[in-house]
Amino acid sequence: EVQLVESGGGLVQPGGSLRLSCAASGFTFSNYWMSWVRQAPGKGLEWVANIDQDGSEKWYVDSVKGRFAISRDNANNSLYLQMISLRVEDTAVYYCARVETTVTLNFDYWGQGTLVTVSS
Amino acid sequence: SYALTQPPSVSVSPGQTARITCSGDELPQQLAYWYQQTPGQAPVVVIYKDTERPPGIPERFSGSSSGTIVTLTISGAQAEDEADYYCQSADSSGTPVFGGGTKLTVL
Repeated sequence: EVQLVESGGGLVQPGGSLRLSCAASGFTFSNYWMSWVRQAPGKGLEWVANIDQDGSEKWYVDSVKGRFAISRDNANNSLYLQMISLRVEDTAVYYCARVETTVTLNFDYWGQGTLVTVSS
Repeated sequence: SYALTQPPSVSVSPGQTARITCSGDELPQQLAYWYQQTPGQAPVVVIYKDTERPPGIPERFSGSSSGTIVTLTISGAQAEDEADYYCQSADSSGTPVFGGGTKLTVL
């Protein structure tokens, strides 16, 4: 059974930093692109970042470029999102998701999410 | 930037057919996916590749595509179908894009 379990969310002040983790199990992690998708309170889904199978290629939504960094550790089946210079508008539930195919960039499995709150 | 447009809300009575549209200029060239999200839960795929239904998704869920519009149809909507629905595709640069979401009310 595929499982994705996020951790690392919490309350942080504007300008602060946070590192999210996602523990993957039930599939060959190194065979798949992975993503972070976020959802602000009461709002829709927003793709944040993608990473390819070996971590050599990464893509970001414009609003987080230069502030967020996606990475992975295939030996430990883990995905990460390092977030710096956090803004109030980064407040959201952050989901780890598996990219099913690189052609369509759809997400076939999602974690339950971890809440990041940026507030003073 | 590329956008997928959905109606904010759709309401139907139980047993009626609900149709949720998603429009985007690149949909003729890109496949679309539909996700169902209930409060406090992660999204779940209900339609993939425009028209395919994953195992375990009720037959009342179907998808169709015509030009720049894809449609999620729920035939005989039930109370448990009340949720937010999101379409998703990719733009020409290879970036995933979500529609704004549609709140389906069944009452």
